[in-house]
Amino acid sequence: QKEVEQNSGPLSVPEGAIASLNCTYSDRGSQSFFWYRQYSGKSPELIMFIYSNGDKEDGRFTAQLNKASQYVSLLIRDSQPSDSATYLCAVNKGDYKLSFGAGTTVTVRA
Amino acid sequence: SQTIHQWPATLVQPVGSPLSLECTVEGTSNPNLYWYRQAAGRGLQLLFYSVGIGQISSEVPQNLSASRPQDRQFILSSKKLLLSDSGFYLCAWRLIQGVRDEQFFGPGTRLTVL
Repeated sequence: QKEVEQNSGPLSVPEGAIASLNCTYSDRGSQSFFWYRQYSGKSPELIMFIYSNGDKEDGRFTAQLNKASQYVSLLIRDSQPSDSATYLCAVNKGDYKLSFGAGTTVTVRA
Repeated sequence: SQTIHQWPATLVQPVGSPLSLECTVEGTSNPNLYWYRQAAGRGLQLLFYSVGIGQISSEVPQNLSASRPQDRQFILSSKKLLLSDSGFYLCAWRLIQGVRDEQFFGPGTRLTVL
């Protein structure tokens, strides 16, 4: 079993719609979770982090965490063409050593 | 503000040649530093991390080594490159500031081994 799994994608959504990204993790003891956005050819940039069960909102982004189900999700509301990228889910294994999923590529259609 | 630099940005090397990639961080002291590799079509894999000068932990057995000769410098090396060493190498640092505890990546070095 992989440490972090993401829905494989690619995910194509029309402009203005909600993009929903899912991630599951295997280590029940994991405490902190991150979403990074990576444009083609560029390094990942941190867009959201979440430590507690429930929802966390930041602008058009909402992260959701359910530790009992070992599940993290990211919602992108009012999707824009500039949101087209690969989204990486990461789990802190301790000492901030991150384990990453393979990523989900999102394409927002104008 | 803190910034992280990596060089070179791109590198093409023959199989069997040595490698040295450098990462430096500005605007902070004694940061935790990390080397990741992203192979084509694959996720990011943690290679090494360091909590201080001379302190290196290896996460996966491989053809690479890391060193931290100065507080804000982290170097990734190899004596003899393999084809499988090709990939996008990313240095990262950990920001701990009040309630913030986040990890940021440098611009990366794209290595092609031929």
